Amino acid sequence: NAGVTQTPKFQVLKTGQSMTLQCAQDMNHNSMYWYRQDPGMGLRLIYYSASEGTTDKGEVPNGYNVSRLNKREFSLRLESAAPSQTSVYFCASSARTGVYEQYFGPGTRLTVT
Amino acid sequence: GENVEQHPSTLSVQEGDSAVIKCTYSDSASNYFPWYKQELGKRPQLIIDIRSNVGEKKDQRIAVTLNKTAKHFSLHITETQPEDSAVYFCAAATGGGNKLTFGTGTQLKVEL
Repeated sequence: NAGVTQTPKFQVLKTGQSMTLQCAQDMNHNSMYWYRQDPGMGLRLIYYSASEGTTDKGEVPNGYNVSRLNKREFSLRLESAAPSQTSVYFCASSARTGVYEQYFGPGTRLTVT
Repeated sequence: GENVEQHPSTLSVQEGDSAVIKCTYSDSASNYFPWYKQELGKRPQLIIDIRSNVGEKKDQRIAVTLNKTAKHFSLHITETQPEDSAVYFCAAATGGGNKLTFGTGTQLKVEL
């Protein structure tokens, strides 16, 4: 099993450009999450999907959109990138929401110039 | 919303010593408290977790304690080894358990 995979690994965007970060899991998990990690800030939840067909905002959703394409895939879109969105983005999945371990992907390092 | 505070932000210990990292949370409804370890350039990985109906949990050299009344929980690592050097994050499950709120992390350095 590959676990949680993310593409791309690295990306550089100019201000105003758009892009989609892809995430897939092969563990048959119901719940998926997108986090951003900034120095000194820990991991902050952007959006999550408790189950296929549902999405909800997390702590820092502004400037992002998500799509739960199917049970395996959960994408994060930046419509108009800003320098403040420079960060490392992690996707995670868990069997269900609540008291279940979250498994993280390898991360995407995004720089917006 | 939930607020999780984590201390210290950096911790340096000698190999073989113990390390303790402390977290406090604000939402008394939080019911799940995992700890993640993140090595440099790698993804966070769960090392131990505790549910609100348990006061202490141990797994070999690591243990977690929970004080619901005071709303704080701690990670204890005994007999530290160089491979324990990493950033450790605490978290609390909020919003009916749907969301994890993370602390800001502790950089642990184990010196030879």
